[in-house]
Amino acid sequence: GAGVSQSPSNKVTEKGKDVELRCDPISGHTALYWYRQSLGQGLEFLIYFQGNSAPDKSGLPSDRFSAERTGGSVSTLTIQRTQQEDSAVYLCASSLDGLRGRETQYFGPGTRLLVL
Amino acid sequence: QKEVEQDPGPLSVPEGAIVSLNCTYSNSAFQYFMWYRQYSRKGPELLMYTYSSGNKEDGRFTAQVDKSSKYISLFIRDSQPSDSATYLCAMSADGQGAQKLVFGQGTRLTINP
Repeated sequence: GAGVSQSPSNKVTEKGKDVELRCDPISGHTALYWYRQSLGQGLEFLIYFQGNSAPDKSGLPSDRFSAERTGGSVSTLTIQRTQQEDSAVYLCASSLDGLRGRETQYFGPGTRLLVL
Repeated sequence: QKEVEQDPGPLSVPEGAIVSLNCTYSNSAFQYFMWYRQYSRKGPELLMYTYSSGNKEDGRFTAQVDKSSKYISLFIRDSQPSDSATYLCAMSADGQGAQKLVFGQGTRLTINP
């Protein structure tokens, strides 16, 4: 079956520009997560959506980062006024029900962002 | 100090060897422990999942959790070149923190034919 998909696969942008990254979760999954993977830093939690509840934004590194999830499905992560330190792989994951901690999170292939 | 520490390697072993990967952590609230495998330019995929302390075996893979020492391990027996990947440990707490996985840095493993 279809897994988590992300687009674009790669994005090169200039410092100061805004970028939008898209995530399509697995159909029927109510929970959606965004992580950032930087070189030598491992995966860092950014934001979590559960159904129609207010998202947990506690991992967003600055107010330049925002995310939304429309209709409980597709999500967009927006980075405004990009900086070189934003260069990383942005990974999206979804799970059947995020309210139960043991639910497996399924990851997409990621979007590789390079800010010049 | 990071909540989860993992030696990034790289680790290189011959085919057929037993591989031992491990992580230490500082947050005693962690209850769920996972190992993810990540191939180059792919997303992580769940390999093993353990709740609380104990051992879990799945084929050539064994996961161990020692909560008293805040130490988890992944053993790979009869390692194969296809096992070459980055292995990430991840863990989460119960309750409100259950959804946020905290990852180690990842260990890059190469199995040489």
